[in-house]
Amino acid sequence: AQSVTQLGSHVSVSEGALVLLRCNYSSSVPPYLFWYVQYPNQGLQLLLKYTSAATLVKGINGFEAEFKKSETSFHLTKPSAHMSDAAEYFCAVSETGGFKTIFGAGTRLFVKA
Amino acid sequence: DTAVSQTPKYLVTQMGNDKSIKCEQNLGHDTMYWYKQDSKKFLKIMFSYNNKELIINETVPNRFSPKSPDKAHLNLHINSLELGDSAVYFCASSQGQVGTDTQYFGPGTRLTVL
Repeated sequence: AQSVTQLGSHVSVSEGALVLLRCNYSSSVPPYLFWYVQYPNQGLQLLLKYTSAATLVKGINGFEAEFKKSETSFHLTKPSAHMSDAAEYFCAVSETGGFKTIFGAGTRLFVKA
Repeated sequence: DTAVSQTPKYLVTQMGNDKSIKCEQNLGHDTMYWYKQDSKKFLKIMFSYNNKELIINETVPNRFSPKSPDKAHLNLHINSLELGDSAVYFCASSQGQVGTDTQYFGPGTRLTVL
């Protein structure tokens, strides 16, 4: 069965600093991996998605994530944080042919001025 | 145009009552979902329908009953509401029925049971 673990329920960075949100997954077959973002009082929206086409995936708003099979990781990064990046970020995994997407517990990103 | 919409946005009710949440998507997607997000932001799937057919039914109390009158609508009816039902409920949709498809979420319905 697949699962996903997000390390750190809260991450705080200064504006302009590197953002690194960690995600590790477990899957018995090649996975599809997602990062979703949830702004306050809103639904989730897709940031980026790994579908095995390329290990480095670029998403919206300057975010990117790298799939590392050897480390079973899919960490999310952004070179320079902006105040508007403050939100809850969810890593998710699903298996090829499966029906379900399993979400991690979420990481709350705080951006300090 | 709102892609996935839910009504109501807020719902406050007493224990024991019955309530419904409605969801509509105008994306032409075949699959719709209901998720529950608890106070710690943990998101858990409850149900999934593909072309009006139930394909995922997680271990959810029988008091929760989804209904899909057509593939653009998925409503959630909850009987005999309990304090533990308080949460934010999200509707979502995707093109296909596999978990590898991107899901599009509604704005959520915050249910408070007193």
